[in-house]
Amino acid sequence: GAVVSQHPSRVICKSGTSVKIECRSLDFQATTMFWYRQFPKKSLMLMATSNEGSKATYEQGVEKDKFLINHASLTLSTLTVTSAHPEDSSFYICSAGLGKFYGYTFGSGTRLTVV
Amino acid sequence: EDQVTQSPEALRLQEGESSSLNCSYTVSGLRGLFWYRQDPGKGPEFLFTLYSAGEEKEKERLKATLTKKESFLHITAPKPEDSATYLCAVLLGGGTSYGKLTFGQGTILTVHP
Repeated sequence: GAVVSQHPSRVICKSGTSVKIECRSLDFQATTMFWYRQFPKKSLMLMATSNEGSKATYEQGVEKDKFLINHASLTLSTLTVTSAHPEDSSFYICSAGLGKFYGYTFGSGTRLTVV
Repeated sequence: EDQVTQSPEALRLQEGESSSLNCSYTVSGLRGLFWYRQDPGKGPEFLFTLYSAGEEKEKERLKATLTKKESFLHITAPKPEDSATYLCAVLLGGGTSYGKLTFGQGTILTVHP
């Protein structure tokens, strides 16, 4: 139980195009989801917190207009990388909270390559 | 400034050779400390949550402990399948139900047969 499904697992796009990454909670309702970015051999960096039905809260230094987050339902949050550039290439991971004793569950990640 | 530091950065063990990974933290308002395992190209897999100093949790060959300044992940008689990056993260205080996790940089564990 408590699975977060993230799609796609890999995507290659051309510079200047937009890419959407989906994160779905399969068997529970996720009022809050988190989006992270991870560089090779580096740790996870929190980008933003999305709450169902409201605007996302972005961490300092994260461009809101480049990384659009939508959390329209209790089971779906999306991250859209707009006008992607090669420097946006990275591993993006979503996460949802499960309650005090069950931690936070993570999606399997999306490897974005911008060429 | 809140900080989470893991050591060592990398650890190579022989199968059966027990060891410990360290996660030290300097944060205010700690609500919990989490351990995750991450395999290459995958998202983190939840292992343990610790909430108060003195608390211990065990799962198979892994045991996590917590003090007021650090946490240890003890690995007893590791097997090659335990090879992965182990991440610790602290949950900081706040008024919301789900606070933010701050991750350490991870320890890359390699267990040789």
